[in-house]
Amino acid sequence: DAGVIQSPRHEVTEMGQEVTLRCKPISGHNSLFWYRQTMMRGLELLIYFNNNVPIDDSGMPEDRFSAKMPNASFSTLKIQPSEPRDSAVYFCASIRDRSNTEAFFGQGTRLTVV
Amino acid sequence: GENVEQHPSTLSVQEGDSAVIKCTYSDSASNYFPWYKQELGKGPQLIIDIRSNVGEKKDQRIAVTLNKTAKHFSLHITETQPEDSAVYFCAASRSGGGADGLTFGKGTHLIIQP
Repeated sequence: DAGVIQSPRHEVTEMGQEVTLRCKPISGHNSLFWYRQTMMRGLELLIYFNNNVPIDDSGMPEDRFSAKMPNASFSTLKIQPSEPRDSAVYFCASIRDRSNTEAFFGQGTRLTVV
Repeated sequence: GENVEQHPSTLSVQEGDSAVIKCTYSDSASNYFPWYKQELGKGPQLIIDIRSNVGEKKDQRIAVTLNKTAKHFSLHITETQPEDSAVYFCAASRSGGGADGLTFGKGTHLIIQP
């Protein structure tokens, strides 16, 4: 298996623009997580899905952030409009199920908002 | 919510010596404690985990100890090697396995001096 696949690896955008980050979880995994990593705050859970349904989005910092999972093999995290303080590395992770919960992380998307 | 504190933020040890990283957590209901290793430009990778019904777990050169009464857990790496250089994160979860996401410590940058 190729593991969790995220795209793009790097994104540079101007303040005010819409940004969409993409994630393909490991096939057969039924939960997907979005994390954000910054120097100041470390790794923070933003939102997670179970069987494509959003379960907890309490970590989403503002209404500018939204996430979807239209099917078991694809999820997006969107920021609209983007701001410089959104600059961070965004990770997607997946787990097989509630009894086998090793989280597998993607390589991350480094977002820079200028 | 859960709060995980991790120390030290940077640890430099001579190759062949042992390294110890310590974490404390605040939520007494937390019952799953994984450790992740993150290499430059990559996502975190699980190296060992422990559940609350166990006080210690070992896997070759890596061991983790848990003290539920004091709410702290530690990672021990013996006979350190250059490839152990990385950032290590502890985490905690109350869902019995991380199925509801993880709360991470801020990370420890481990440097193995040749």
